[in-house]
Amino acid sequence: EAGVTQSPTHLIKTRGQQATLRCSPISGHTSVYWYQQALGLGLQFLLWYDEGEERNRGNFPPRFSGRQFPNYSSELNVNALELEDSALYLCASSQESGSYNEQFFGPGTRLTVL
Amino acid sequence: AQSVTQPDIHITVSEGASLELRCNYSYGATPYLFWYVQSPGQGLQLLLKYFSGDTLVQGIKGFEAEFKRSQSSFNLRKPSVHWSDAAEYFCAVGAYNQGGKLIFGQGTELSVKP
Repeated sequence: EAGVTQSPTHLIKTRGQQATLRCSPISGHTSVYWYQQALGLGLQFLLWYDEGEERNRGNFPPRFSGRQFPNYSSELNVNALELEDSALYLCASSQESGSYNEQFFGPGTRLTVL
Repeated sequence: AQSVTQPDIHITVSEGASLELRCNYSYGATPYLFWYVQSPGQGLQLLLKYFSGDTLVQGIKGFEAEFKRSQSSFNLRKPSVHWSDAAEYFCAVGAYNQGGKLIFGQGTELSVKP
């Protein structure tokens, strides 16, 4: 069974640009979660999508947004990139919704903002 | 507010020695507890989880953890460490009313001496 996949592996952008990160959940999983792992800040919850709807977002500005498609894959968009957005962005999926369920993580997308 | 504390930022143990990584949580109700491991440049892999029942849980790679409600702790243990266990370890807490969000500790980096 394939795990959570993310693309691209690495992404280099300049300040002010937009970045799009993609995630494909494990087959049969309907919930997708996004986390940011920035140096010195640990793992921070960004967004949770379930059945195509945004269910919750963390303490991030509106320029962080995303969506979930009918096939349950997801996109994270970061607009007006700032230097501090440089981080590893991790996507996770779970078979049922909610953080009391096991979340399976992908390998991440390393975003570098220059 | 819910929180997770991993008091040890970095631990070094000799190969073959026993290991205990500490995790303390702050949460009003019964939490759902997880330990994840992250190798350099990789995503997170679930080692084990506690939802309810037996307070000693077994995980993959020979790891176990014990939930102690009275101490609000969920420490991770391994009787004999292998060089391949060198990685960063994260404790996390989930809950019904947490909107999909896992709250992570700051992580403990494990180094293994030959």
